[in-house]
Amino acid sequence: EAGVVQSPRYKIIEKKQPVAFWCNPISGHNTLYWYLQNLGQGPELLIRYENEEAVDDSQLPKDRFSAERLKGVDSTLKIQPAELGDSAVYLCASSLKLAGAGETQYFGPGTRLLVL
Amino acid sequence: TQLLEQSPQFLSIQEGENLTVYCNSSSVFSSLQWYRQEPGEGPVLLVTVVTGGEVKKLKRLTFQFGDARKDSSLHITAAQPGDTGLYLCAGADNAGNMLTFGGGTRLMVKP
Repeated sequence: EAGVVQSPRYKIIEKKQPVAFWCNPISGHNTLYWYLQNLGQGPELLIRYENEEAVDDSQLPKDRFSAERLKGVDSTLKIQPAELGDSAVYLCASSLKLAGAGETQYFGPGTRLLVL
Repeated sequence: TQLLEQSPQFLSIQEGENLTVYCNSSSVFSSLQWYRQEPGEGPVLLVTVVTGGEVKKLKRLTFQFGDARKDSSLHITAAQPGDTGLYLCAGADNAGNMLTFGGGTRLMVKP
């Protein structure tokens, strides 16, 4: 079974340009996460979806970041305009979350963004 | 906000040595997970601990959840170069939502 797929793997853009990342979660997983990870640090949650609903976007900088998960499957994360400080790895994870039970997140390889 | 602090941040040891990594918080978590991440890859789950005082072993790795469910430790016996990577702990709230990752411990095991 395929794992979480992310594309592109690498992206280099100039500041003020827009950029988009795509994530295809594991088939059947109802929960999808986007994280930001700076070098040598732990992932920081940006947004969490349960099916197509964003249930936690409190850490998403909404002035420049947006995300969508149409039909509750694939998801895109967009930054417009990008700033130098947005350079990081953007990780997508998915899980099958059942009520009252714990979950295991499966992570994609991430998209490494460099803003020049 | 529930925060997790990991220590040490960096650890460089020789093959065959033992080590312990700590994950501490002032908050109570319903469960805690440990991940290992290699360069260019996403984190991979190693273990989930749920019960206070729980100890789980995975080959040379021993994981312990504190009695009060506020802290955890990862002990590696006879470390090998293949253990090199970033070790992350993550805590879940009472609803089971994995909310918080620690800052990570970067381990390098030299042959």
